[in-house]
Amino acid sequence: EAQVTQNPRYLITVTGKKLTVTCSQNMNHEYMSWYRQDPGLGLRQIYYSMNVEVTDKGDVPEGYKVSRKEKRNFPLILESPSPNQTSLYFCASAAGTGFYEQYFGPGTRLTVT
Amino acid sequence: AQSVSQHNHHVILSEAASLELGCNYSYGGTVNLFWYVQYPGQHLQLLLKYFSGDPLVKGIKGFEAEFIKSKFSFNLRKPSVQWSDTAEYFCAVNRTNNNAGNMLTFGGGTRLMVKP
Repeated sequence: EAQVTQNPRYLITVTGKKLTVTCSQNMNHEYMSWYRQDPGLGLRQIYYSMNVEVTDKGDVPEGYKVSRKEKRNFPLILESPSPNQTSLYFCASAAGTGFYEQYFGPGTRLTVT
Repeated sequence: AQSVSQHNHHVILSEAASLELGCNYSYGGTVNLFWYVQYPGQHLQLLLKYFSGDPLVKGIKGFEAEFIKSKFSFNLRKPSVQWSDTAEYFCAVNRTNNNAGNMLTFGGGTRLMVKP
């Protein structure tokens, strides 16, 4: 089954404790991306990757890091999480350059206290 | 600032009522347009998309949307809603940035509640 998976699905952590949210896709997609969803703001793009070792900032990259060492994986790293990063995070992937349909993962609900 | 605007934040309808959700964007150039739906507790699913051609596009579950280039609009419609359409709806615009990557920008979402 073609899918995007994220782990963990739920995470509660404390300020300053580094964490990583994993994202994996099995569709051999070149394009992958991370979004955060906040009430009233819709989804905002954090980072995206056009292919292995190619990443670029989205609209809200501050406080986040990503890496793309393998085509199927695109982890999101929070080096020093803060309460304003409490949000629902979605990973997505797409074929080619990402100009067409993106497929979304199930989401990771992160709470930073 | 370049943006995607959804004017209705909350909509409440009775079953069988007609639905129209507004979406306007402010990007110039070539864009692809999407409507995604998020049912309670679930991830985003694609309802429909516009890339080129006929500006009236039909999607799943009886939804359709019309692209009006002169108005920078891509409104979502459904003639008769059902209780199962209760969800949050997001308009999204895919644009090419200066680095030749592609970025998807979402509107703030519209929460639709359909009363049985």
